[in-house]
Amino acid sequence: EPEVTQTPSHQVTQMGQEVILRCVPISNHLYFYWYRQILGQKVEFLVSFYNNEISEKSEIFDDQFSVERPDGSNFTLKIRSTKLEDSAMYFCASSEGSQETQYFGPGTRLLVL
Amino acid sequence: DAKTTQPPSMDCAEGRAANLPCNHSTISGNEYVYWYRQIHSQGPQYIIHGLKNNETNEMASLIITEDRKSSTLILPHATLRDTAVYYCIVRVGSEKLVFGKGTKLTVNP
Repeated sequence: EPEVTQTPSHQVTQMGQEVILRCVPISNHLYFYWYRQILGQKVEFLVSFYNNEISEKSEIFDDQFSVERPDGSNFTLKIRSTKLEDSAMYFCASSEGSQETQYFGPGTRLLVL
Repeated sequence: DAKTTQPPSMDCAEGRAANLPCNHSTISGNEYVYWYRQIHSQGPQYIIHGLKNNETNEMASLIITEDRKSSTLILPHATLRDTAVYYCIVRVGSEKLVFGKGTKLTVNP
């Protein structure tokens, strides 16, 4: 069964450093998403991406965040200058259409020291 | 904020049916009810969704009341591996999913 994959599974970085989280969505899906979950808190939407453009973003997704689909398979989330409060699980998801079921990856646990 | 209300926790005996309720009294006519679950800190796992008819798949059944103001997710024979946080989500007309706190289901041996 096709699934969303994410790398790395864990990432530790120093405050102020740049990190790139990678996702491989399900191959025939056209819509891509990033969510995050701070420890003990709810899963929060960050951004949705379609046709090489951001289609929706939350207030959390400020100028330090960016997304990209650098090739036909990968979808990345970049955090330019990490802060302590960026420590969280980051989940990638994909769907065939904007209103179709979203399927999530296993997540990347980011720890900012 | 989430448009749904769920009990914070529930217990179920292994092998018995787990019935998880969800209230969504402000749901509009074209909004679907989705159920996901999250085991530990793993990625949310899709379970089932429906609009107004009852739905069943290999994982669960979804019963939606006639007025669509509430629904119940049924795991017919709960196992220990079904211990998770279950989220009932109403799509708010945009692409994003809005997660609430969900129901923490504990399946006991």
